[in-house]
Amino acid sequence: DVKVTQSSRYLVKRTGEKVFLECVQDMDHENMFWYRQDPGLGLRLIYFSYDVKMKEKGDIPEGYSVSREKKERFSLILESASTNQTSMYLCASSLGGALQETQYFGPGTRLLVL
Amino acid sequence: GEDVEQSLFLSVREGDSSVINCTYTDSSSTYLYWYKQEPGAGLQLLTYIFSNMDMKQDQRLTVLLNKKDKHLSLRIADTQTGDSAIYFCAESIGNQGGKLIFGQGTELSVKP
Repeated sequence: DVKVTQSSRYLVKRTGEKVFLECVQDMDHENMFWYRQDPGLGLRLIYFSYDVKMKEKGDIPEGYSVSREKKERFSLILESASTNQTSMYLCASSLGGALQETQYFGPGTRLLVL
Repeated sequence: GEDVEQSLFLSVREGDSSVINCTYTDSSSTYLYWYKQEPGAGLQLLTYIFSNMDMKQDQRLTVLLNKKDKHLSLRIADTQTGDSAIYFCAESIGNQGGKLIFGQGTELSVKP
């Protein structure tokens, strides 16, 4: 079974803090994704990566950056957290390659920025 | 651009069938997906259908795909209270790094 883990289930941070959200997958997947989920808006893609050290902006990258130094790990960084970044953050991975697009999700990190 | 639309809420009685509908815009999608999200959890893959199929059945789940109308539906037979969750429809959008476009999610409430 594919396993995607996220470093924290709940986080509380203060405005202006630098925040790291970690995601690890154990199935040698090529692609990894970070989404945020807000009520009524569904999932919105922040960043994704299709290879080590590669990253692509998603639909809402502003205020975020990412790091993929190893294939299994994809980190989301909030350089200076703001209250409008309070949200549920979901990480996903997929095998990659033709017709291998099924994404598998971690349990999510609920972030509260005060 | 690509878009996926779902109604936000559906309420059914236990034992009835539930039908959750979804419309999408990208006619080149290879796969269409249904994910389930229980409260406080991540998304769990429920089922998917390849774009050259019309129907897929998996136990209590039936997926119908109408490519002409770009309409996807998920039918849950004999709905149980444990089926209460948010259901997301998603479409693949070709070769853009394996991206999926998700709908807003339909919250299914099953009343005893």
